[in-house]
Amino acid sequence: SQQGEEDPQALSIQEGENATMNCSYKTSINNLQWYRQNSGRGLVHLILIRSNEREKHSGRLRVTLDTSKKSSSLLITASRAADTASYFCATGFSGGYNKLIFGAGTRLAVHP
Amino acid sequence: DAGITQSPRHKVTETGTPVTLRCHQTENHRYMYWYRQDPGHGLRLIHYSYGVKDTDKGEVSDGYSVSRSKTEDFLLTLESATSSQTSVYFCAISENERGRDTEAFFGQGTRLTVV
Repeated sequence: SQQGEEDPQALSIQEGENATMNCSYKTSINNLQWYRQNSGRGLVHLILIRSNEREKHSGRLRVTLDTSKKSSSLLITASRAADTASYFCATGFSGGYNKLIFGAGTRLAVHP
Repeated sequence: DAGITQSPRHKVTETGTPVTLRCHQTENHRYMYWYRQDPGHGLRLIHYSYGVKDTDKGEVSDGYSVSRSKTEDFLLTLESATSSQTSVYFCAISENERGRDTEAFFGQGTRLTVV
């Protein structure tokens, strides 16, 4: 079974609004990563947060990690139509050869 | 973009035939991975490699084999293709800088249809 589970499965918002996606996982991790996928394309890395970090920012992205609850959230502020994509969390494991296990993803639609 | 090339990009094959997908990288990264992506399942790890001739199974390895004879190439073989292996296949690479895990870079994908 997959390690990460994203919530919600789909999200529809207006431009300018914030978008929040959540990820829960089951076992201990070394890091958690978020990726974006535009329709029909490969995945692009957005941000990596290590297990000893609680929050990280990158531009309009803010990621939090709560290892006690085994959960993470991705916040996209001031969304744009160009943010329309699927977003995936992926968990990395200690001593796991950099192996990443992905969740099923959240489909985000940002309407102009 | 990271130098990752998947070939072919599209393939239609018949049930029961062997199929080989190729992933080629120019980044000299140590780790290489094969994932499949299906609606509702996200990406699932098939096999991965942590060095030349060093490979291991992922979540959904049945019916697949891999080989890595050179750092730059990672081959995925469907020994006898079945309709359930119709999917989009992604190759990824990553490195382990100073012992710390880093992000993965993905190829553009291969759309495989088994009829």
